[in-house]
Amino acid sequence: DVKVTQSSRYLVKRTGEKVFLECVQDMDHENMFWYRQDPGLGLRLIYFSYDVKMKEKGDIPEGYSVSREKKERFSLILESASTNQTSMYLCASSWGLRDRTTPMGNQPQHFGDGTRLSIL
Amino acid sequence: TQLLEQSPQFLSIQEGENLTVYCNSSSVFSSLQWYRQEPGEGPVLLVTVVTGGEVKKLKRLTFQFGDARKDSSLHITAAQPGDTGLYLCAVVNAGNNRKLIWGLGTSLAVNP
Repeated sequence: DVKVTQSSRYLVKRTGEKVFLECVQDMDHENMFWYRQDPGLGLRLIYFSYDVKMKEKGDIPEGYSVSREKKERFSLILESASTNQTSMYLCASSWGLRDRTTPMGNQPQHFGDGTRLSIL
Repeated sequence: TQLLEQSPQFLSIQEGENLTVYCNSSSVFSSLQWYRQEPGEGPVLLVTVVTGGEVKKLKRLTFQFGDARKDSSLHITAAQPGDTGLYLCAVVNAGNNRKLIWGLGTSLAVNP
């Protein structure tokens, strides 16, 4: 089974702090994603990466950056945390072009259990 | 802009009842995925439907993809408390097929 592990289940930080959220997957997936999930707003994509050192902005990248130095690890960075970044953060991974048996759009995303981040 | 509308937004039923939830759009999709997210966990894929009119069954869950591939439904027979969770549908983003577009979900509570 695919395992996506997020470093913390709960995290409390203060306004202005630099915050790091870590995600590791064990299936050699090419694609990795960071979402935030808020009531009434659903899952919103922050950033994703389709290869080491490659990244693309999602729908709400402002105030965030990412790092992918190794294929299995994708980090989300809140440069200067603000209260409106209090949320549930979910990491996911999926196969990319290496899975030639499944069209890209049919490839499932595998999620971690999330990090509930509170910014005080 | 591709949008997915899920209905109902909330559903609370008694154990043993049947229910149907919907995922609709005005756009045509090549495929559609259904996920379930249990409280405190990340979403987990239930099924992918690909062909218009396709019906897939997963134990007490029946998934249907509309003939025109614009909508899908999920029917649960004899719901159990273990079915409680958020049901999400997702489709590939036509502009970038590495990304998914997500509905807001149907939050289901099955009471014993």
